[in-house]
Amino acid sequence: GESVGLHLPTLSVQEGDNSIINCAYSNSASDYFIWYKQESGKGPQFIIDIRSNMDKRQGQRVTVLLNKTVKHLSLQIAATQPGDSAVYFCAENLGESGGYNKLIFGAGTRLAVHP
Amino acid sequence: DAGVTQSPTHLIKTRGQQVTLRCSPKSGHDTVSWYQQALGQGPQFIFQYYEEEERQRGNFPDRFSGHQFPNYSSELNVNALLLGDSALYLCASSPPDSTSGELFFGEGSRLTVL
Repeated sequence: GESVGLHLPTLSVQEGDNSIINCAYSNSASDYFIWYKQESGKGPQFIIDIRSNMDKRQGQRVTVLLNKTVKHLSLQIAATQPGDSAVYFCAENLGESGGYNKLIFGAGTRLAVHP
Repeated sequence: DAGVTQSPTHLIKTRGQQVTLRCSPKSGHDTVSWYQQALGQGPQFIFQYYEEEERQRGNFPDRFSGHQFPNYSSELNVNALLLGDSALYLCASSPPDSTSGELFFGEGSRLTVL
């Protein structure tokens, strides 16, 4: 399959531990912030999003935190599993002002889960 | 329910040639976006099609063009290929009135330019 993220920063965690992936964004006008997961050989897969008027949102085993003061976004994965191994991208959506789902992706972080 | 499908999955071209990539959106989706993903990088927005018209465009030259058909499927065309056009081309679809940024991506077309 495809090899995604050959030279990306890597976060290595033990199975069962919690993972925290961080992202800095640049545009204060972004309306939504989104996390995507990309496994080797596949397209990005939506994980969770958060609107700019929120600072925390929880999903199944995942939590996204948004700090607009320092333009920082994080993804927390609880009880990390081998199936969570992938490259994770944060993305900004400028919303209507930016034109309807035109996403600006970050560089990505590789998550490696070890048994 | 089939997701987003793209064809071909892999192709090899030489500099100066032209290429056409195809995408069928997820059922019920009317908007198609195209992204270019170079190896080791995040996807970059090329353009988006809605109601058979280009609605938004990223910072890509006119060599990149597209089309959307009445059944919402889409094509991406790249003319006068350069070595730097080698990348994974991703198609993403979204349902009507979607604004959150939840896109459904295909598995991509890997283009190699020699």
